[in-house]
Amino acid sequence: GIQVEQSPPDLILQEGANSTLRCNFSDSVNNLQWFHQNPWGQLINLFYIPSGTKQNGRLSATTVATERYSLLYISSSQTTDSGVYFCAVGDAGNNRKLIWGLGTSLAVNP
Amino acid sequence: NAGVTQTPKFRILKIGQSMTLQCTQDMNHNYMYWYRQDPGMGLKLIYYSVGAGITDKGEVPNGYNVSRSTTEDFPLRLELAAPSQTSVYFCATDLGYFGPGTRLTVT
Repeated sequence: GIQVEQSPPDLILQEGANSTLRCNFSDSVNNLQWFHQNPWGQLINLFYIPSGTKQNGRLSATTVATERYSLLYISSSQTTDSGVYFCAVGDAGNNRKLIWGLGTSLAVNP
Repeated sequence: NAGVTQTPKFRILKIGQSMTLQCTQDMNHNYMYWYRQDPGMGLKLIYYSVGAGITDKGEVPNGYNVSRSTTEDFPLRLELAAPSQTSVYFCATDLGYFGPGTRLTVT
């Protein structure tokens, strides 16, 4: 099946810094999503981005489907950005079934 | 709109007991999913449903059962609980709407 790898596994930032999180996947996909899990466990969908670039405030994401990777950019990080960021891609046989990476754990210090 | 609600929030089971995790959504989404998340890991799909009366297995279905009699409800049944089922369980609908999770411990 499709493999999803995220890097880095852990990241520590000072408030105000920028960062880039990466998601590599092993096969072509029609569904790719980024999620944030806050320190209390709540999961929030950030982007649905099987290809192209999207922006939402200080967050943006780019997926280069032909090269099988996606990037999540966080600019001017805030302490509320802390948590785990997951990339999930659609299974080849059913793209509504998501295969999840292990996540990038982000800590933003004041 | 309440979105996706799950009950209970926490539960401790003894080995061999059974329980049902409840999930309800009010967004009229056809697709619903049950995931488990073990510490430090991503989510693993247990079961999913494409609509009332239709369910299918995900990556880790063993030890679980589901039903989908209505669009709104998608309960997950654990039979004969085992310590390996200690986890956090999330229900979700299409477009990435998640419930708050149920933290289950089996001892």
